[in-house]
Amino acid sequence: AQSVTQLDSQVPVFEEAPVELRCNYSSSVSVYLFWYVQYPNQGLQLLLKYLSGSTLVESINGFEAEFNKSQTSFHLRKPSVHISDTAEYFCAVSDTGRRALTFGSGTRLQVQP
Amino acid sequence: DAGVIQSPRHEVTEMGQEVTLRCKPISGHDYLFWYRQTMMRGLELLIYFNNNVPIDDSGMPEDRFSAKMPNASFSTLKIQPSEPRDSAVYFCASSLPPRGRGADTQYFGPGTRLTVL
Repeated sequence: AQSVTQLDSQVPVFEEAPVELRCNYSSSVSVYLFWYVQYPNQGLQLLLKYLSGSTLVESINGFEAEFNKSQTSFHLRKPSVHISDTAEYFCAVSDTGRRALTFGSGTRLQVQP
Repeated sequence: DAGVIQSPRHEVTEMGQEVTLRCKPISGHDYLFWYRQTMMRGLELLIYFNNNVPIDDSGMPEDRFSAKMPNASFSTLKIQPSEPRDSAVYFCASSLPPRGRGADTQYFGPGTRLTVL
């Protein structure tokens, strides 16, 4: 069985400051890793994903995440956040045997001016 | 493309009533997923289909819940009878088949907010 742990339920940060949202996973098989973002009253949107190859993946809006197999982590980072990044962020895993996503509990990023 | 379409967006019903949630996946996507989001349990998979066939329904809470996919462009999630603990946001998502070892992106609908009084 797979599981995802997001230790931080809320992360307050000032605008233009760096941020890291932590994600650790547990799985007995090779996994695919995802970060989704949910803005208020909306569905989830893919931010970035790791399938294979380079362990560092980037999104178009400045976020990046690094797959660390030894630490079973996939932390999300951004060097300088904007007010518009305020949202809830979900880490998720799937694998070749089960296409459905297993989600973490989410981290609410609150960017303050 | 219009994306994944869900209806209704909001549903308020009384305990014991039947509720039907609807989903239209993105055209050409042959995977369809139903998830439920609650404060207590977060986001959890209920069931998913591949080519209209249910593949994994281990997340369906109990016999009160049923899901169907009569064709590639339509799916329903039915709750009968509904209970207050079913109150949640229900999301539908769809994806293309995986390419090689990869897993394709799931595209989520806007969700249906269900309130059972």
